[in-house]
Amino acid sequence: NAGVTQTPKFQVLKTGQSMTLQCAQDMNHEYMSWYRQDPGMGLRLIHYSVGAGITDQGEVPNGYNVSRSTTEDFPLRLLSAAPSQTSVYFCASSRDNSGNTIYFGEGSWLTVV
Amino acid sequence: AQSVTQLDSQVPVFEEAPVELRCNYSSSVSVYLFWYVQYPNQGLQLLLKYLSGSTLVKGINGFEAEFNKSQTSFHLRKPSVHISDTAEYFCAVSGGSGGGADGLTFGKGTHLIIQP
Repeated sequence: NAGVTQTPKFQVLKTGQSMTLQCAQDMNHEYMSWYRQDPGMGLRLIHYSVGAGITDQGEVPNGYNVSRSTTEDFPLRLLSAAPSQTSVYFCASSRDNSGNTIYFGEGSWLTVV
Repeated sequence: AQSVTQLDSQVPVFEEAPVELRCNYSSSVSVYLFWYVQYPNQGLQLLLKYLSGSTLVKGINGFEAEFNKSQTSFHLRKPSVHISDTAEYFCAVSGGSGGGADGLTFGKGTHLIIQP
C-alpha cells in the first residue's frame, strides 16, 4: 500500500532551470493537490485537481504549472526556477471533498540557487 | 474565505506535564477541522479531525481536541506529554466545496518542545 509517492525527495536547481516534481497515488482518489511549506508560513495551496482533466489554482500558483491526465498522477512543473521557490513541497490526495482522510506524501525538498 | 490562527509559534513544556495548543479559525461556511503533526524532516500525519457530531474528538498518541463553535476554536490537548511528542503541529480547516485535498487552509504551525 504505497499511498502518495513523491519524487524526487531532494533536488537542487539553478535559477532559470526547469523541473517536474512527480506525485502518484494508488488509492483511486479524485482530489489531488500541491502545497508548499515555508518556515513560519505553514502550508499554502499551489494548485489542485478534482479529477482527471480538471485543475485549478490555489493561493500561490505563480511560477507553477500542473496537469492531470490520469487519476493516479499529478505532476508539478517549475518552468523557470527562482530562489523564491526554494521550499518543501507536499502532494496530497483525498477520495472526495466530504472530509474523508487526506493523505500526504513525504515531501520534496527543493533548493534553487 | 477561511483562515486559521495558531496563537503560539512555540510551546515549551516539561515532560509528563499537560499541554494545550491553541487554534482559532474563521470561515463563512460550516467547516471541517484537522490537526496534523510533522516530525523533523518528515511528512504530515493526521492526529485527529472534526467533521460533525460530538465536539470532543480523540485522536492518536493520546491527543484530543474540542470544537467550540461559539469561540471558533479547536484547541489540541494532551494530559501528559512525552519526549517523542516534540514536533511541529498544524491546525487546518476546510469547508464549503473544499472539504478535500483541494481546500485545506493551514495555520502557521506550533513547535512543541518537550523539556526533560
